[in-house]
Amino acid sequence: KNEVEQSPQNLTAQEGEFITINCSYSVGISALHWLQQHPGGGIVSLFMLSSGKKKHGRLIATINIQEKHSSLHITASHPRDSAVYICAVSLTTGTASKLTFGTGTRLQVTL
Amino acid sequence: NAGVMQNPRHLVRRRGQEARLRCSPMKGHSHVYWYRQLPEEGLKFMVYLQKENIIDESGMPKERFSAEFPKEGPSILRIQQVVRGDSAAYFCASSPGVQGEAFFGQGTRLTVV
Repeated sequence: KNEVEQSPQNLTAQEGEFITINCSYSVGISALHWLQQHPGGGIVSLFMLSSGKKKHGRLIATINIQEKHSSLHITASHPRDSAVYICAVSLTTGTASKLTFGTGTRLQVTL
Repeated sequence: NAGVMQNPRHLVRRRGQEARLRCSPMKGHSHVYWYRQLPEEGLKFMVYLQKENIIDESGMPKERFSAEFPKEGPSILRIQQVVRGDSAAYFCASSPGVQGEAFFGQGTRLTVV
């Protein structure tokens, strides 16, 4: 069993839909990260959070430490949001940037 | 303030050749991490370096792979005698400190033919 599990693996949505991507982890963490990767592109850090909720534009990330679960929400989705979204954790035994990754959620937003 | 710079973006090597991947961290960042993304697989940690020191190489293959982060210049990930299984995207990330957030580069896509 992976230490970081994401669901769904693939997601197709129509433009304007509200999207939720889930991440569960089974280890002690100091922080959780949401990353975005476009096909053939680099990796962009969207959020780093250790509690509560963060919002940036149309993106919202939440974390429940007791349940070891995080969600990434995209409101009013747009085709440019099409990318792979990756959940990663910083273990309590390591540094903040030594990350353990989920396998990613491939999102496609259509017109 | 330039971000994390990796070069080359794409690298093609024949089996048995050496591959050198470079990573210049963000200005003011002295911590560098290398990650590998194999085709159709998730990202995996390889090595963590600070200036002139390897701090954690628990994710590095034991043979053919080495990394350095000299006092001056970029961090280098070196793969000797490459094999087809080394074909992957290699990402570098840098952070300002032990608990700082990491910023990723664009990656180097290595193809071994």
